[in-house]
Amino acid sequence: DVKVTQSSRYLVKRTGEKVFLECVQDMDHENMFWYRQDPGLGLRLIYFSYDVKMKEKGDIPEGYSVSREKKERFSLILESASTNQTSMYLCASSIQGNTEAFFGQGTRLTVV
Amino acid sequence: GESVGLHLPTLSVQEGDNSIINCAYSNSASDYFIWYKQESGKGPQFIIDIRSNMDKRQGQRVTVLLNKTVKHLSLQIAATQPGDSAVYFCAEKGDYKLSFGAGTTVTVRA
Repeated sequence: DVKVTQSSRYLVKRTGEKVFLECVQDMDHENMFWYRQDPGLGLRLIYFSYDVKMKEKGDIPEGYSVSREKKERFSLILESASTNQTSMYLCASSIQGNTEAFFGQGTRLTVV
Repeated sequence: GESVGLHLPTLSVQEGDNSIINCAYSNSASDYFIWYKQESGKGPQFIIDIRSNMDKRQGQRVTVLLNKTVKHLSLQIAATQPGDSAVYFCAEKGDYKLSFGAGTTVTVRA
């Protein structure tokens, strides 16, 4: 079974903190994605990566950065957390050229 | 910006009836259009995709229709079951990027 693992299910952080969300996949997928999910807005793409050390901005990259030093790991970084970054964060991976992405269970981040 | 969207945020269906979930898209350059299902507390799961040069594709109890003239995508679920209750997302794939719409919550009535 393909497994995409996000390091935390729930996270509470303070405004201004630097936050790291970690995602690991065990299927040697080339592509990895970070989305945030908010009611009424669906899944919005923050960043994606199609290879180690490669990253591309998605639709809402402001306030976020990413790191992909190893193929299996894709990290999302909130440089200075703000309350409007309170959301459900979903990581996904897929084989290059494939339409099927496999998602983790999500991290519900609350910034207070 | 947002290029994929769904017509209705909620849909209530009687068990055993057929469901139709609609989606409008704006990016004609996408290679594929895809439907995902998200059950409560889980990440989205792939249901079915359709290549941009096709009009119809059938899977197990599901059919996806693509109308490029009006940029419309639909998912039909036959004989809807309680396990079909979920949020359904349409998505589009272009190059490496995978973009999702806002989602439709389907509730199946017993």
